[in-house]
Amino acid sequence: EVQLVESGGDVLQPGGSLRLSCAASGFTFRTSWMNWVRQDPGTGLAWLSRTSSDGKNVFYVDSVKGRFTISRDNAKNTLYLQMNSLRAEDTAVYYCVTDLIGGVSYWGQGTPVTVSS
Amino acid sequence: DIVLTQSPATLSVSPGERVTLSCRASQSVRSNLAWYQQKPGQAPRLLIYDASTRATGVPARFSGSESGTEFTLTVSSLQSEDFAVYYCQQSNNWPWTFGQGTKVEIK
Repeated sequence: EVQLVESGGDVLQPGGSLRLSCAASGFTFRTSWMNWVRQDPGTGLAWLSRTSSDGKNVFYVDSVKGRFTISRDNAKNTLYLQMNSLRAEDTAVYYCVTDLIGGVSYWGQGTPVTVSS
Repeated sequence: DIVLTQSPATLSVSPGERVTLSCRASQSVRSNLAWYQQKPGQAPRLLIYDASTRATGVPARFSGSESGTEFTLTVSSLQSEDFAVYYCQQSNNWPWTFGQGTKVEIK
């Protein structure tokens, strides 16, 4: 059974930093492209970032480029999102998402991040 | 960025009815369009990818179609468990983008 378990969400002040983690199991993580997607009530769903299976090719949406860094540890089956210079508009639930695996895209349960002074 | 416009914003439907949801792309996304279903407190669930391919385990009452930059999700006979918010999403051009969603509610 595929499982994605995000952790690391917190409440913090603007300008702060946070690292989210996503522990993956039940599939071959080291060969899978992985993604971070966030959702907030105001602007809906946003595909933030994706990484190739080896971590050498990464992509970011403009709103987080230069502030967020996606990375992975294939030995630990874990995906990360380092978030720096956080803003109020980064307040959202953050999801770890797989690319298609056997005709299904898997999502974690999400981890909430609140940025507020 | 590619803008996906979904219509209507809300749809009030009775169980058993046929439902058609629309998603219009601001430019060509070829067939690189997916549909997701989201229920309260849950992550989105992939229903359709490549515009018309049902994801594994998705009931046959869900179908997707395309005509140019217009995409449609059809539910042939709405069941009680289908009341949810539906999103379209394109993966043709980075950044991948979502529509704003259509809420299907009980009439």
